[in-house]
Parts: sequence; C-alpha cells; structure tokens
Amino acid sequence: SQKIEQNSEALNIQEGKTATLTCNYTNYSPAYLQWYRQDPGRGPVFLLLIRENEKEKRKERLKVTFDTTLKQSLFHITASQPADSATYLCARLTDSWGKLQFGAGTQVVVTP
Amino acid sequence: DADVTQTPRNRITKTGKRIMLECSQTKGHDRMYWYRQDPGLGLQLIYYSFDVKDINKGEISDGYSVSRQAQAKFSLSLESAIPNQTALYFCATSDLAGGPDTQYFGPGTRLTVL
Repeated sequence: SQKIEQNSEALNIQEGKTATLTCNYTNYSPAYLQWYRQDPGRGPVFLLLIRENEKEKRKERLKVTFDTTLKQSLFHITASQPADSATYLCARLTDSWGKLQFGAGTQVVVTP
Repeated sequence: DADVTQTPRNRITKTGKRIMLECSQTKGHDRMYWYRQDPGLGLQLIYYSFDVKDINKGEISDGYSVSRQAQAKFSLSLESAIPNQTALYFCATSDLAGGPDTQYFGPGTRLTVL
C-alpha cells in the first residue's frame, strides 16, 4: 500500500533552536508535497507547498526540502518559538484530481 | 466570519442513531471534502465532491453518506452510528483554479458514539 509516514514521537526543542521534521513516502513521487500546521482542537492550516522539481522552499522561518531520490521531505523551523508548538502534517498529491494523502503528523513542543 | 464552518462542534450520541454533520463555506470553492481524524492516524478521506453534481467515495466511506445541497454546503451523515465512528471530523474546501490544490479546513466536529 502507499504510505506517507511522519515521526510519531513528539519533538521537544528549546526556544531558539532549529526543529527538523521528516516526511517519508513510498511508491510514486508526487508532483508536490504540502505541509500543514494543526493546533489542538482546530483544523489544519496550510503552510508551504514544494514541487517535485524544487529542492528547497522557504517562508519566513520555515524551510522545506524535497528529495525524490530518498522519497523524503524535511521541514525545518529555524529560531523556534513557543508559539511554534503544534502538530505538523505533511501531505502528498495522490492523483490529477487534487486529492491529498496526509501523514499522521509530528507534534512539536518548544520550551522557553 | 470563518470561511469554512462546521456544525455542531461537539456531539455525543448513542449507537444506532442517525447523525448529520454540516459544513458551509464562503470561499466560493467548488471542491469539498470530508475527513475523519483518529489519534495516531492521518486524516482519512471519507467523501469528496468536485461540484454540486459530483460525489465520490474516499478511502473509508462505509457507514457514511453525503449530500451536496449547494456549492457552499456539504453534509455528512452517519445512518446508524457505531462506537468506532467516534472521531474528529473535518470538512475542507479547495479550488484548483490558479494553482495546486491547497485545502482549507473547518474547525472540526468532535463526535462521540456511546
């Protein structure tokens, strides 16, 4: 079966450090990957999209990489802040109609 | 006002009851989706609709049905609720026009089936 996997263990990190999250997938490489943020009791919110022909994408303190050889995307939060504490979900495009397959998410906890 | 709203936000019901969860959007998007989320699992697609006349089953549609009453409204029904349908349910919308399919989620409905 086609899988998209994220580290299920929470990532505890000190304020100011860089958090790095991993998203691995099996089988085909999608045309793009997306990353979402989810706060407790709320719906996911879109953060970044990276296409298969892009190695890296940045948005403020966020950076995403996409390695189609390793079938992996890395999500970095630089200079992390307590407000960055949330669960981060990766998602890949599954077909030409725009359907997404989501990972289970990795919780990030940033302590002062 | 929120772009994607869901009602109710919380619901406790009993096994065998019929339940309807409603979703409304003001984004003007054609595409709407229903997902469920369980602890430790990714969002699982239940049903999706690409326009008012188009309804498609997702990966876990058994025990669920949907109705797309208008472009802005997409309802999810549990015909006879069972305890393993206890989960967090999300509605989402998207619009492919102009670029890749970013999805916009509602706040969720927490459903408990006793």
